[in-house]
Amino acid sequence: DTAVSQTPKYLVTQMGNDKSIKCEQNLGHDTMYWYKQDSKKFLKIMFSYNNKELIINETVPNRFSPKSPDKAHLNLHINSLELGDSAVYFCASSQTGTAYGYTFGSGTRLTVV
Amino acid sequence: TQLLEQSPQFLSIQEGENLTVYCNSSSVFSSLQWYRQEPGEGPVLLVTVVTGGEVKKLKRLTFQFGDARKDSSLHITAAQPGDTGLYLCAGALGGTSYGKLTFGQGTILTVHP
Repeated sequence: DTAVSQTPKYLVTQMGNDKSIKCEQNLGHDTMYWYKQDSKKFLKIMFSYNNKELIINETVPNRFSPKSPDKAHLNLHINSLELGDSAVYFCASSQTGTAYGYTFGSGTRLTVV
Repeated sequence: TQLLEQSPQFLSIQEGENLTVYCNSSSVFSSLQWYRQEPGEGPVLLVTVVTGGEVKKLKRLTFQFGDARKDSSLHITAAQPGDTGLYLCAGALGGTSYGKLTFGQGTILTVHP
């Protein structure tokens, strides 16, 4: 009964490939996020969806395309992977509102070779 | 320029010592949160503070939100090896940010037995 689950946990792929990461939450939260954590452990927001609607789209290359089929799912598709895309990607969810904390998934470690 | 400056970046102490981690900004936050992250896992919410001057205690952890809501501190009393991990502060700017959190760079705490 994991609250926020991401798959896969590890992803090793070659430059130029296209890959997807899936995320699901069973907390009934209405907002979901994608964050990228770099090698220095810095977490930076990429996207935010509220009730399936894209709310935040930070300065992320358009090779990254999120998709939310329903408010419990938020997937991330990455086209034409580059070496610099290597990082840990975290999905998170929360109730709408700035006083609510996030529940994070356990992350997807993406390595582009 | 970091919106949230967290210090120190690294902290290595002996079991039983006390420590304080600081999180500072020139921006006013509607709420500030502290997370703890262990290797291979996502950050886990420790506390949310929303009122200027607020102090919250969680066993040996004491969290304080500055009066002006621009800074926060985390104090751990009598640290234990189980406290080892990455501690992250994160601020929400409010408005229509839909809960978007901006993270500090993190503090890697190592408590030696």
